[in-house]
Amino acid sequence: AQKVTQAQTEISVVEKEDVTLDCVYETRDTTYYLFWYKQPPSGELVFLIRRNSFDEQNEISGRYSWNFQKSTSSFNFTITASQVVDSAVYFCARSEDKDSNYQLIWGAGTKLIIKP
Amino acid sequence: NAGVTQTPKFQVLKTGQSMTLQCAQDMNHEYMSWYRQDPGMGLRLIHYSVGAGITDQGEVPNGYNVSRSTTEDFPLRLLSAAPSQTSVYFCASSYSSLSVFSYNEQFFGPGTRLTVL
Repeated sequence: AQKVTQAQTEISVVEKEDVTLDCVYETRDTTYYLFWYKQPPSGELVFLIRRNSFDEQNEISGRYSWNFQKSTSSFNFTITASQVVDSAVYFCARSEDKDSNYQLIWGAGTKLIIKP
Repeated sequence: NAGVTQTPKFQVLKTGQSMTLQCAQDMNHEYMSWYRQDPGMGLRLIHYSVGAGITDQGEVPNGYNVSRSTTEDFPLRLLSAAPSQTSVYFCASSYSSLSVFSYNEQFFGPGTRLTVL
């Protein structure tokens, strides 16, 4: 399977710092979707964003922003002015065409620790 | 809407026992799937279903069975539990997976933490 790589296993920053989580993917599909999910300590998986491969515009939602660069197969996630509530494991995922049935391929996750 | 519900939340089994993890959704989603989450490995797809009566294998199907008799329910059966199946299991659903243009985000249940001794 074509991989999704989140090279940062764990990141620790002090509150109010900016932090960027990296995601690099491999794919042979020409059309695909990229996702970010958050998994707080309570364990549930929370959808953050979906981006399709034709839309390379950066997206900002409050303190969250996403930088999609197709040329480098990267979809990085930045949290500005981090807060303790941002502490979680963050997963990047990519859709993959398996015989015309689309599935998600997941990265291993980055554990983000925000210290007060 | 209850969304995606899973039962039980926690389960301890002995090696060789069988059990069924329940999953239900009330969003009329066509696509449902089961993942397992192990430390440092992200989520891995076990089985999935694109509609009632249709199931298929994912990346790690061995030791698990599924069926989809209704749109709402997608139970996962462990046939003969092994310690390697100790994991957190997530059920997820979405509108459709049959077109990349209609590919929407998946909604997840709260998970089942399974320990096999």
